[in-house]
Amino acid sequence: KAGVTQTPRYLIKTRGQQVTLSCSPISGHRSVSWYQQTPGQGLQFLFEYFSETQRNKGNFPGRFSGRQFSNSRSEMNVSTLELGDSALYLCASSLALPETQYFGPGTRLLVL
Amino acid sequence: QQPVQSPQAVILREGEDAVINCSSSKALYSVHWYRQKHGEAPVFLMILLKGGEQKGHEKISASFNEKKQQSSLYLTASQLSYSGTYFCGTGDKTSGSRLTFGEGTQLTVNP
Repeated sequence: KAGVTQTPRYLIKTRGQQVTLSCSPISGHRSVSWYQQTPGQGLQFLFEYFSETQRNKGNFPGRFSGRQFSNSRSEMNVSTLELGDSALYLCASSLALPETQYFGPGTRLLVL
Repeated sequence: QQPVQSPQAVILREGEDAVINCSSSKALYSVHWYRQKHGEAPVFLMILLKGGEQKGHEKISASFNEKKQQSSLYLTASQLSYSGTYFCGTGDKTSGSRLTFGEGTQLTVNP
């Protein structure tokens, strides 16, 4: 079975721009969660989607948004990028609660 | 509330054992353990559920003390490949798939 895939793997943007990251879960998994990882803050939960519905949201500003499509693929969008948004963005998929979450390789975003 | 992991770092020689602890101030429903190597994604090791069910690795074991709201990960006869940062992620019944991660424990296994 193919694992979780994320595109792109690396991205460089400048302040004020927006970015869209994509995540394809493991086949059959309907839950997709997004996390931000930085050296200072560690792994922090952004949001979770299940069957195209946002089921949970972390403490991030409204500039961070996401969506899930009928095939369970998910995208997250960050608008008006700030330097502090530089991070590794990880998505994880699972069958259902409280099953194991499997992480993708991540997208490393650098904001200049 | 972020779970607290201890120790923050540990250095072992190949073949030695280690224990990593994860404590939460909230009632736990599940504890998930991951290992992350530098520049890579976290890799699933173990999930422990309230009620004692445990799923995971053969060579790595863990415990879940519901009363103490604590979990421990046991690494026995460590191998060089065990090196990495270990994270515990905790979930409660109302939080969906949302996991709250500890700050991580950096484990280094030397020959």
